[in-house]
Amino acid sequence: SQQGEEDPQALSIQEGENATMNCSYKTSINNLQWYRQNSGRGLVHLILIRSNEREKHSGRLRVTLDTSKKSSSLLITASRAADTASYFCATPNTGGFKTIFGAGTRLFVKA
Amino acid sequence: GAVVSQHPSWVICKSGTSVKIECRSLDFQATTMFWYRQFPKQSLMLMATSNEGSKATYEQGVEKDKFLINHASLTLSTLTVTSAHPEDSSFYICSARMNLQETQYFGPGTRLLVL
Repeated sequence: SQQGEEDPQALSIQEGENATMNCSYKTSINNLQWYRQNSGRGLVHLILIRSNEREKHSGRLRVTLDTSKKSSSLLITASRAADTASYFCATPNTGGFKTIFGAGTRLFVKA
Repeated sequence: GAVVSQHPSWVICKSGTSVKIECRSLDFQATTMFWYRQFPKQSLMLMATSNEGSKATYEQGVEKDKFLINHASLTLSTLTVTSAHPEDSSFYICSARMNLQETQYFGPGTRLLVL
C-alpha cells in the first residue's frame, strides 16, 4: 500500500500565485523526497529533505518537514504555466530499501 | 549526469504476445533498479526491485511469471510482460539508484497498449 497521502488531489491557480501541496506519511523516515511528473513523462527529482531538517529551499521551491506530525509541504512560489504537472512525495519504506510514492497532487497553473 | 533511458517509449501489441522493455542507466552504474506501473491519473505503484546479478523481489500481488525482470548488468534491466492482455495496458516506468545513494533517477516511461 502507498505510504503517503497528498492533498489537495488537484489544485488550479493563476500564474504568479503560490502553490502549496501537502504530504502525510505513516512510518518513521530518514528522508522525504518530492518529484514532479509532466503528463505522460517520467519523474524529475526536485528535492530531498532529511529527517533532521525542518526546511529546505531550491530556487522557487520550499519544502518543510514536520516529523512529529509525519507531514511535509511543498511550496512553489510565483508559479508559472510551466509548473503545470503532478507532484509526488516519496518516502523510503521500513528498512529504507524501497521508495513509496504518495497519491500525488495535480497542479494546473493558468497563464 | 544520472540519465536513465527506456526503450521503447511506446508499444502497441496484440493480446497474447510478449513485450520487452529495456531500462538503461547511461552514465552511472545502477546497483538497484525499480519497476513501477502507473495507471492514468494515479500514482506510481512499485512492481519489483532488482539488484544486479540477483533475482528480482516482487511486490505483493505482482505475478513474477507474468512480469519477468532481468538485471544482467549494472546498466541494464529488462521487464518482459509475457502473454500481455488488455488489462496490462499501462505506463511502465523504471528507476535506477547508485549504490548507497538515496535518490532514484527515473526513465521517461514506456506506454504499453495491448489490443
